[in-house]
Amino acid sequence: GAVVSQHPSWVICKSGTSVKIECRSLDFQATTMFWYRQFPKQSLMLMATSNEGSKATYEQGVEKDKFLINHASLTLSTLTVTSAHPEDSSFYICSARDLSGGVKDTQYFGPGTRLTVL
Amino acid sequence: AQKITQTQPGMFVQEKEAVTLDCTYDTSDPSYGLFWYKQPSSGEMIFLIYQGSYDQQNATEGRYSLNFQKARKSANLVISASQLGDSAMYFCAMRGANTGNQFYFGTGTSLTVIP
Repeated sequence: GAVVSQHPSWVICKSGTSVKIECRSLDFQATTMFWYRQFPKQSLMLMATSNEGSKATYEQGVEKDKFLINHASLTLSTLTVTSAHPEDSSFYICSARDLSGGVKDTQYFGPGTRLTVL
Repeated sequence: AQKITQTQPGMFVQEKEAVTLDCTYDTSDPSYGLFWYKQPSSGEMIFLIYQGSYDQQNATEGRYSLNFQKARKSANLVISASQLGDSAMYFCAMRGANTGNQFYFGTGTSLTVIP
């Protein structure tokens, strides 16, 4: 299947700092990428849809000024958690759609980034 | 509105036995896709199997098969010959034709394979 990478895999930061997470599609182009958040023992919650060359679409209740998304190329989307606080500590996962001919409409996920805000 | 329901928060299965993980869904879209993902403790989401709403046959991928009953709106995952490495969280997901690219996930089932 298609490969999606995320960097970093884990990060610990102080409260008030900003953290950038990168999501890359390694062997396919992704016009659309997705950012999810997952709390322990819970399901994935879609935060936003990242569209190459245009503004991201945020889900209801997700602060767009706090979670900045940039999708500057067909293989890279970034999520920046601005002025992070302990309640932002979570597992963040990105995914991308591969339309190159594999299983229809499948989303491939990155390995996730575990953020801990002290 | 789209909704995915997984009613089994936890399941246990003996090694080498088969296990069925339940998934029901609700959608008004005439065309949709159903997916199963595995999430081991490392956190990565691993795509397992896909079923299209218009597919005539149930999907199979190695030891994974999807028991698709459209009238009942169920898409249960069957894992045959369970292995210790199958212990993980399993998520059912759906994408509708009219919901853009968005996936809707169930709450997941934690599967533990007992040696």
